[in-house]
Amino acid sequence: QMQLVQSGAEMKKTGSSVKVSCKASGYTFTYRYLHWVRQAPGQALEWMGWITPFNGNTYYAQKFQDRVTISRDRSMSTAYMELNSLKSDDTAMYYCATALGREDYDLLTGHRRSAFDIWGQGTLVTVSS
Amino acid sequence: DIVMTQSPDSLAVSLGERAAINCKSNQNILDSSNNKSYLSWYQQKPGQPPKLLIYWASIRESGVPDRFSGSGSGTDFTLTISSLQAEDVAVYYCQQCYSSLALTFGGGTKVEIK
Repeated sequence: QMQLVQSGAEMKKTGSSVKVSCKASGYTFTYRYLHWVRQAPGQALEWMGWITPFNGNTYYAQKFQDRVTISRDRSMSTAYMELNSLKSDDTAMYYCATALGREDYDLLTGHRRSAFDIWGQGTLVTVSS
Repeated sequence: DIVMTQSPDSLAVSLGERAAINCKSNQNILDSSNNKSYLSWYQQKPGQPPKLLIYWASIRESGVPDRFSGSGSGTDFTLTISSLQAEDVAVYYCQQCYSSLALTFGGGTKVEIK
């Protein structure tokens, strides 16, 4: 069964950092881009970035470029999203997601265009002072 | 970044009636080399992650009921629920992945029973 299982809820102080994990199973971890998406309470989905587990290449949304680091441990089939300098408006559900069968190559960039058919269950991060 | 605008923000439809949600991109998301529009639709119920319904504008994901259909090309897209069921109450999001370096979602449309 193909799935992504995320770490548990976190409560953090403003200015601190949080690191969320996402463990993949049921498919070859290195073959698929792994994305992170967040959703503030009552708000829309917001894409944060991706990692290519094969070689560790990353790309981040401009909004998060200065504060986010996505990494992976191939031996554990696990990806991580670390967000620094937390603010109260970083309070959100954080999801990892991948496209196991719904991907095409973007010939302009050499990267993949992905429709997310597998999602983690989400990790709630609450930030307060 | 490509901006995705959904309308309406919410709609209430009677059981068995048709529901239509619109999504407009401010740039073309059709790849003319393969004639695919890189637009996906997701359904999200409270307390759950999103679920993929439609990808490449009109291809229904495996296991999704055929009352869900997607249409459109280029910049204008529609998700149609042909006969609304109680279990379809949810928030629906469109997403473009034409730009593989800047994926973006619409603001969401909440569907309720009238």
